[in-house]
Amino acid sequence: QSVLTQPPSASGTPGQRVTISCSGSSSNIGSNTVNWYQQLPGTAPKLLIYSNNQRPSGVPDRFSGSKSGTSASLAISGLQSEDEADYYCAAWDDSLNGHWVFGGGTKLTVL
Amino acid sequence: QMQLVQSGAEVKKTGSSVKVSCKASGYTFTYRYLHWVRQAPGQALEWMGWITPFNGNTNYAQKFQDRVTITRDRSMSTAYMELSSLRSEDTAMYYCASSAMGASIEPDYWGQGTLVTVSS
Repeated sequence: QSVLTQPPSASGTPGQRVTISCSGSSSNIGSNTVNWYQQLPGTAPKLLIYSNNQRPSGVPDRFSGSKSGTSASLAISGLQSEDEADYYCAAWDDSLNGHWVFGGGTKLTVL
Repeated sequence: QMQLVQSGAEVKKTGSSVKVSCKASGYTFTYRYLHWVRQAPGQALEWMGWITPFNGNTNYAQKFQDRVTITRDRSMSTAYMELSSLRSEDTAMYYCASSAMGASIEPDYWGQGTLVTVSS
């Protein structure tokens, strides 16, 4: 059971816009920034969004993030076949001397 | 460029220990935190702990507190994660990842992963 809650799956057709939600609590999302990772099949996670809505160099602006209260969202516009992957939200949690928590992951399928 | 290269796959017996290495290059080893994250087959990411290579300070997830030890060798720019009393549920891909100084700064560079298989 992951500390952050994500839907297990999401889907869309090429060109569509999809959103993935991430719900937490006051000790994690409510008081710290949210990050998103993309994990393509058989590869290590890749940082996609940091500090709620910032994109590392090289990440297309089709990917965007937002946060409100104890929830966050990742939006992907202009969906492409190569976006098919697992997406994880992550946040620092202030409880228990501080630790990182992740969502359970959302498998995105491009139909 | 920043790179983390991990040691190869391991097959271990139940009750034994495993030690995975993570060699850093492309940056000053002591300037970034080093985290360990694992992922059981078909499961989510799970943070295990971090080390500050500068002084060797560590912080472990409560779940692994009694079984995990993270160390580093500054001369080799390498961090290590040792997990003891292995059980079948520890079968997973183990990743190291680095972050800028600050425990709550997001890990941004990841190693390729090391598959650890535990069987009786």
